Amino acid sequence: QVQLVQSGAEVKKPGASVKVSCKASGYTFTSYNIHWVRQAPGQGLEWMGIIYPSSGSTIYTQKFQGRVTMTRDTSTSTVYMELSSLSSEDTAVYFCAGEPYNRAYYFDYWGQGTLVTVSS
Amino acid sequence: QSALTQPASVSGSPGQSITISCTGTNGDVGGYNLVSWYQQHPGKVPKLLIYEVTKRPSGVSFRFSGSKSGNTASLTISDIQAEDEADYYCCSYTNIAGFGSYVFGTGAKVTVL
Repeated sequence: QVQLVQSGAEVKKPGASVKVSCKASGYTFTSYNIHWVRQAPGQGLEWMGIIYPSSGSTIYTQKFQGRVTMTRDTSTSTVYMELSSLSSEDTAVYFCAGEPYNRAYYFDYWGQGTLVTVSS
Repeated sequence: QSALTQPASVSGSPGQSITISCTGTNGDVGGYNLVSWYQQHPGKVPKLLIYEVTKRPSGVSFRFSGSKSGNTASLTISDIQAEDEADYYCCSYTNIAGFGSYVFGTGAKVTVL
């Protein structure tokens, strides 16, 4: 079955960077597009961007452009999301979510979430 | 890109039906039949309930249904049960920034009285 397993919780200082991984299994790695969604404590869901594992191309929402980088490693079926210049406002749970095929426009599998805490 | 507007809370008694609205613009909800809905219990991962406005994935209860009129999409929960108490988010595809992206709703907390 499809599984997305994320890396563990992180604590970072303001100004630092964090890199969260999302390891896929149970399907052909290049067939699912991977999105990143975050959720600040007590807040709603926020879409950050998408990576197409087949090509490595990415789209980032304007809010995060210049600060976020999404990459993939096809040899390990893993997608990464790196966010730089962290501030306390980046404290959130970060989810990877799978879009089952190009232009599906929905997310049917989700990672378990990774809590990133930014604190001095 | 502003979040789609949902009511902060919706409540109903067991067995009743409730409807959650999701209002956007003609650049997102109104422009595409690409609205999805997600249920999230506290501390849990979001779960897909509806996609492409009205379609229900296999395994999702028939008590959940979706619709859309103009710039507002809606999720209806029929015969509401205690297990339906959760947060619900709509999500729409948008191309308003000149590239394909997504916007979520503000979220609605459903309480079963």
